[in-house]
Amino acid sequence: AQSVTQLGSHVSVSEGALVLLRCNYSSSVPPYLFWYVQYPNQGLQLLLKYTTGATLVKGINGFEAEFKKSETSFHLTKPSAHMSDAAEYFCAVTPNSGNTPLVFGKGTRLSVIA
Amino acid sequence: KAGVTQTPRYLIKTRGQQVTLSCSPISGHRSVSWYQQTPGQGLQFLFEYFSETQRNKGNFPGRFSGRQFSNSRSEMNVSTLELGDSALYLCASSLTVDRTGYGYTFGSGTRLTVV
Repeated sequence: AQSVTQLGSHVSVSEGALVLLRCNYSSSVPPYLFWYVQYPNQGLQLLLKYTTGATLVKGINGFEAEFKKSETSFHLTKPSAHMSDAAEYFCAVTPNSGNTPLVFGKGTRLSVIA
Repeated sequence: KAGVTQTPRYLIKTRGQQVTLSCSPISGHRSVSWYQQTPGQGLQFLFEYFSETQRNKGNFPGRFSGRQFSNSRSEMNVSTLELGDSALYLCASSLTVDRTGYGYTFGSGTRLTVV
């Protein structure tokens, strides 16, 4: 079975500062990993995904994440926060067969302070 | 191309009533999944349909049911509503049940409030 733990239900950063949202996963088989973003009153939008290949994955809006198998982590980063990054972020995992429903973490709400 | 469409966007129901929510996936997508999102539990998987067949089911009581039509549109039904059913219900579509390409594409959700 798969599970995801997102450390910190709420993270606050200053505009221009580094964004780091933490995600650790548990999976009995090699995982595929995803980060989604949710803006108020909207559905989830895919930011980036790791399936195979390069472990450093670049996504939209300047976000990137690195798959670290030894640490079972897939942390999301952005060098410089923008006000428009304020949203809720979800990490998700599925086994690499790909045909099992995604299991989501409980989310991290990112606030950006001017 | 049109995204995933969920109707209605907002719904208020009374305890004991039943409700039906609708989801139209992206054209060409044949898999539809449903998730319940609440502040305390996050996103919890309800069920998934592919080619009119339920492929996966989450750990929800039998009051929650769904179906998929030949045009891939899906409905979910909740009978005998309870206050705890108040949530954002999200529909997600994907081309097939193999999500390795890009995961899901989500709709904006239906906000259900049970009073």
